[in-house]
Amino acid sequence: QQQVKQSPQSLIVQKGGISIINCAYENTAFDYFPWYQQFPGKGPALLIAIRPDVSEKKEGRFTISFNKSAKQFSLHIMDSQPGDSATYFCAAFLSGTYKYIFGTGTRLKVLA
Amino acid sequence: KAGVTQTPRYLIKTRGQQVTLSCSPISGHRSVSWYQQTPGQGLQFLFEYFSETQRNKGNFPGRFSGRQFSNSRSEMNVSTLELGDSALYLCASRGLGEGTEAFFGQGTRLTVV
Repeated sequence: QQQVKQSPQSLIVQKGGISIINCAYENTAFDYFPWYQQFPGKGPALLIAIRPDVSEKKEGRFTISFNKSAKQFSLHIMDSQPGDSATYFCAAFLSGTYKYIFGTGTRLKVLA
Repeated sequence: KAGVTQTPRYLIKTRGQQVTLSCSPISGHRSVSWYQQTPGQGLQFLFEYFSETQRNKGNFPGRFSGRQFSNSRSEMNVSTLELGDSALYLCASRGLGEGTEAFFGQGTRLTVV
């Protein structure tokens, strides 16, 4: 019940295309869902986050779509750029446990 | 604001040795968490500290321990190192009143030979 399942494991997108990464969770008590971007040799950097009372959140080219009934959320990267090539992690947080449960990561490559 | 600082960035240790990693959180942040990142297991929660108290611990053996000081800086220690402890160890800090955003440091790359 504590798992977060992320797909796909890897993704190749043409420059200007839309990148879509999906995550699913089981525990309905999770109350915060962030996405992190990680470049090689760096720590994860917070990209965008959403709470379960919101169905969509957009920041620039990045959008989170959240489906509470399906217990799924996804990251959409519009107009993908080669600089977006990185590993993306979804996560879920349960207040009171003070810990994040991370998905397994998606390695995104955007072709120039 | 300065970010989360982890030292050292790289470490090479021999099996059986022990190691101490350090983390300085963002100024004003009192919550510090540690995660282990490996290609096979991904990001796994080790423990979380707040005001020098451990509030939660992940499913790791007792060889992994940590502590937090009064200035919120944190250390984690791994004793009797095993080859499988080779990983990127990440520290994250969170502040009060900022939702639950966690900000990660660049990590310490530990290699056990």
